[in-house]
Amino acid sequence: DVKVTQSSRYLVKRTGEKVFLECVQDMDHENMFWYRQDPGLGLRLIYFSYDVKMKEKGDIPEGYSVSREKKERFSLILESASTNQTSMYLCASSLLQGAISPLHFGNGTRLTVT
Amino acid sequence: AQTVTQSQPEMSVQEAETVTLSCTYDTSENNYYLFWYKQPPSRQMILVIRQEAYKQQNATENRFSVNFQKAAKSFSLKISDSQLGDTAMYFCAFWGSGTYKYIFGTGTRLKVLA
Repeated sequence: DVKVTQSSRYLVKRTGEKVFLECVQDMDHENMFWYRQDPGLGLRLIYFSYDVKMKEKGDIPEGYSVSREKKERFSLILESASTNQTSMYLCASSLLQGAISPLHFGNGTRLTVT
Repeated sequence: AQTVTQSQPEMSVQEAETVTLSCTYDTSENNYYLFWYKQPPSRQMILVIRQEAYKQQNATENRFSVNFQKAAKSFSLKISDSQLGDTAMYFCAFWGSGTYKYIFGTGTRLKVLA
């Protein structure tokens, strides 16, 4: 079974801090994604990556950046955390580009910025 | 732009009964896939069922089935013989070959009552 592991379940940070959210998958998946989940808004794509060192902006990239130095690891970076970035963050991976292989999600990181 | 609409924010159903969750979408693409994902209270999102747009036959996975109405752009999920473990947030999702990314609805919170 595919395992997607997010390093923290809960995180509390202060406004202006630089925040790193880490995600690791263990099945050699090509694609990795970062979503933000907010009540009433569903899941919104922040960034995704189709390969090592490649990244593409999603629908809401402002205030975020990502890093994929190794195939199994995809990091989301909040350069200067703000209160409107308080949210649930979900990492996902999939084997191939496209919908032939489904998304596999991590357990999520609930980030609170105070 | 593609959109996915789930008009039922919350639903409840008695154990062993049948419930239908609604989803409509808008797209001009011909090649696309539709999905239902389930997010239980433990938070890890998992794939429930998927439907290829070119297939006329409705997808079925055990107690879960879909009613795919392509002309009406409707993709509802039917859960038969509901179980307490079906309590979760359910997300409808669209993937199109033109946009090459998933678009999620806002979710329906389903509670199965004992």
